[in-house]
Amino acid sequence: GENVEQHPSTLSVQEGDSAVIKCTYSDSASNYFPWYKQELGKRPQLIIDIRSNVGEKKDQRIAVTLNKTAKHFSLHITETQPEDSAVYFCAASRTDKLIFGTGTRLQVFP
Amino acid sequence: DTGVSQNPRHKITKRGQNVTFRCDPISEHNRLYWYRQTLGQGPEFLTYFQNEAQLEKSRLLSDRFSAERPKGSFSTLEIQRTEQGDSAMYLCASSLAARQGGGYTFGSGTRLTVV
Repeated sequence: GENVEQHPSTLSVQEGDSAVIKCTYSDSASNYFPWYKQELGKRPQLIIDIRSNVGEKKDQRIAVTLNKTAKHFSLHITETQPEDSAVYFCAASRTDKLIFGTGTRLQVFP
Repeated sequence: DTGVSQNPRHKITKRGQNVTFRCDPISEHNRLYWYRQTLGQGPEFLTYFQNEAQLEKSRLLSDRFSAERPKGSFSTLEIQRTEQGDSAMYLCASSLAARQGGGYTFGSGTRLTVV
């Protein structure tokens, strides 16, 4: 069935360093890949997304890359700040149903 | 309209009781989704509607779960004969079908505890 694997499960970085989170997906027909940030006790919020006709997308300190051949996509956060601390989820979709990864808890230490 | 609204925010129920949750989506969104999230896990798809039609239902959804969206606006999710394993956060999201796979806005969720 459809599956999205995400790693690492936890990631600790020093403020100002970069953070990278990686996901792989099983359904080769997937064509939409969003990333969500979830702070403790709050709803998931979309931070960036990419479609299968694009290899990379950037929005200020956040970028996402997609390798369709390898069925990999990654989230890159540069110049991390303490407020980036949260759980990040990747997801994949080929219709409108999103299949989520298991999440990465990012901690940014000042 | 400030976003997706869910109520109640918290629900504690005894095992075997029925519970019903409500979701009010963003008014112009015609798609509505239900997800379940347990601690340390990503949201798990349950079902979704386009207008009033239920288009897909997860194979993981037992027959104790039923969802409706009678007028294509708000939706309800009912769990009958609750079990302790049903304890989770139930998230609702909405989107516009015109933006395939995009524009999901989540509600704050209903946290269910079955004791």
